[in-house]
Amino acid sequence: KAGVTQTPRYLIKTRGQQVTLSCSPISGHRSVSWYQQTPGQGLQFLFEYFSETQRNKGNFPGRFSGRQFSNSRSEMNVSTLELGDSALYLCASTPKPGAGGYTFGSGTRLTVV
Amino acid sequence: QQQVKQSPQSLIVQKGGISIINCAYENTAFDYFPWYQQFPGKGPALLIAIRPDVSEKKEGRFTISFNKSAKQFSLHIMDSQPGDSATYFCAARDSGGGADGLTFGKGTHLIIQP
Repeated sequence: KAGVTQTPRYLIKTRGQQVTLSCSPISGHRSVSWYQQTPGQGLQFLFEYFSETQRNKGNFPGRFSGRQFSNSRSEMNVSTLELGDSALYLCASTPKPGAGGYTFGSGTRLTVV
Repeated sequence: QQQVKQSPQSLIVQKGGISIINCAYENTAFDYFPWYQQFPGKGPALLIAIRPDVSEKKEGRFTISFNKSAKQFSLHIMDSQPGDSATYFCAARDSGGGADGLTFGKGTHLIIQP
């Protein structure tokens, strides 16, 4: 069974640009969550999607957005990039919200210069 | 702010010893408590999880102990091996409200010395 797939693995962007990250969940998993991991703040929840609808959103500015497609694949977008957005962005999937067993991908390492 | 406080920040254990990592939480609505293991360059991998209706759960060398009244839970790694050297995160979630996804502790960097 394939795991959670995140693309790309690495990205380097310039301040002010925007970026789109992709996540393909485990087959049959319909809930996708996104997290930001930094050395200073640790792992922080960004948002969760289920049935193409955003269910929850963490404490991040509106520059961070996402969406989910009918096949449960998800994308997140960060606009007007800032240096502080440099982080490992992780996607996790689970069969449905509240089911537990969140499986994480290997993440996308975003560096903003 | 819902928080999960994890300790210690770093831990060195001899091979064959017991590694113990502790977490405390504030939100009594939390009802799902997983532990994750993360190696450099990888995403967190689910090790073991517990719900508050049991006080202990064991899977192989990994055991979660849960104290609902104290709002604390801990991970015990028995017979620790060098391959267990990694960063460990505790987490918690309110599955009913689901307001904020998983709330993570800050992590424990575990080193198992041969």
